[in-house]
Amino acid sequence: RKEVEQDPGPFNVPEGATVAFNCTYSNSASQSFFWYRQDCRKEPKLLMSVYSSGNEDGRFTAQLNRASQYISLLIRDSKLSDSATYLCVVKWWTGNQFYFGTGTSLTVIP
Amino acid sequence: DTAVSQTPKYLVTQMGNDKSIKCEQNLGHDTMYWYKQDSKKFLKIMFSYNNKELIINETVPNRFSPKSPDKAHLNLHINSLELGDSAVYFCASSSVGSGETQYFGPGTRLLVL
Repeated sequence: RKEVEQDPGPFNVPEGATVAFNCTYSNSASQSFFWYRQDCRKEPKLLMSVYSSGNEDGRFTAQLNRASQYISLLIRDSKLSDSATYLCVVKWWTGNQFYFGTGTSLTVIP
Repeated sequence: DTAVSQTPKYLVTQMGNDKSIKCEQNLGHDTMYWYKQDSKKFLKIMFSYNNKELIINETVPNRFSPKSPDKAHLNLHINSLELGDSAVYFCASSSVGSGETQYFGPGTRLLVL
């Protein structure tokens, strides 16, 4: 089983739609959680960290469920510029390694 | 100012050759990483390294070796290149002080012929 699993999509949604991505992780001793965004042929960039109590940044909301070992990302009022691949990332308590999901592809359609 | 830089951006080479990719970060971070992103876009960690510890993903062939001349640099040396090594290689850095956010370089696109 992979350390981090995501639905690869693709998700094709109209502008203004709300879309949600889920991600599951295998190691219950995971410490830190993140969502990264990767545009085509570019490097990944941090979108937001995910905190235990859940957190919001503008149109983006991240949730963490430790009991079920999953992380979610909700994007409201989708914009064309949101089109990208969204990567779920988990860091374990031990070591300095970050584990990336395969990414979920999102295309926002005019 | 470029935070994490990699050279070269593109690398085309023959099977069996030895090549190096360089990475530099000017963020003052204490940990650096190398990732491989294959054709299926899966980003897989290869190494993480700080002053104290080198962690190697056990699935990485020993043809790959990280070399760190100082805290700001982590180069990747690859011996006897194989077709399956073709991928995009990303360098990244982080520190506890940055909230563990990883900053990635622009990537090196390696094609082995």
